[in-house]
Amino acid sequence: DGGITQSPKYLFRKEGQNVTLSCEQNLNHDAMYWYRQDPGQGLRLIYYSQIVNDFQKGDIAEGYSVSREKKESFPLTVTSAQKNPTAFYLCASSIGGLAGVNTGELFFGEGSRLTVL
Amino acid sequence: SQQGEEDPQALSIQEGENATMNCSYKTSINNLQWYRQNSGRGLVHLILIRSNEREKHSGRLRVTLDTSKKSSSLLITASRAADTASYFCATGPSGGNTGKLIFGQGTTLQVKP
Repeated sequence: DGGITQSPKYLFRKEGQNVTLSCEQNLNHDAMYWYRQDPGQGLRLIYYSQIVNDFQKGDIAEGYSVSREKKESFPLTVTSAQKNPTAFYLCASSIGGLAGVNTGELFFGEGSRLTVL
Repeated sequence: SQQGEEDPQALSIQEGENATMNCSYKTSINNLQWYRQNSGRGLVHLILIRSNEREKHSGRLRVTLDTSKKSSSLLITASRAADTASYFCATGPSGGNTGKLIFGQGTTLQVKP
């Protein structure tokens, strides 16, 4: 079945540690996104990538890093510079890449919940 | 930055009743989408309405868009307990090719059996 797989589902981090969240898609989508969701809040965009080997900062990129070496994969690293990393992280993909003016629907993974101990 | 604002923030109804959620936004859009999120899960796309459309239906869902008022509404008819979830509107900006959606803060719907 086609879809987006995020792992791990739950992750605990000690202060000062970097952690990496995995996101893999087999939908052959060009664009991929990382969002952060805090309790009772909407989604805030961290980073997005519209094509392999290229990515752009979203609204809250500080303390995060990403890579897009393969079309299928868009891992997110939460670095020690992120002062309040406890949140629910959602990865998404869409068909539209650089050629897409019309933003199509997003397909989401099931999320990764990160807790700082 | 958050563009969409949903109203109400929370809604509680009985099974069989209709549920209406509203979304307002600030800038010009290419399209507006509605998503559903069950507790602790990812978001699921429900419906997309383009800026040149005024109304769209999908099963028990009806979405309207008023670009002059910069607002949209989502109507769920004959609600079921399984409709209990959070609902988010998301706007696709007009112009450019950023491909970014901007999400509102959501309406939490509880449908009581």
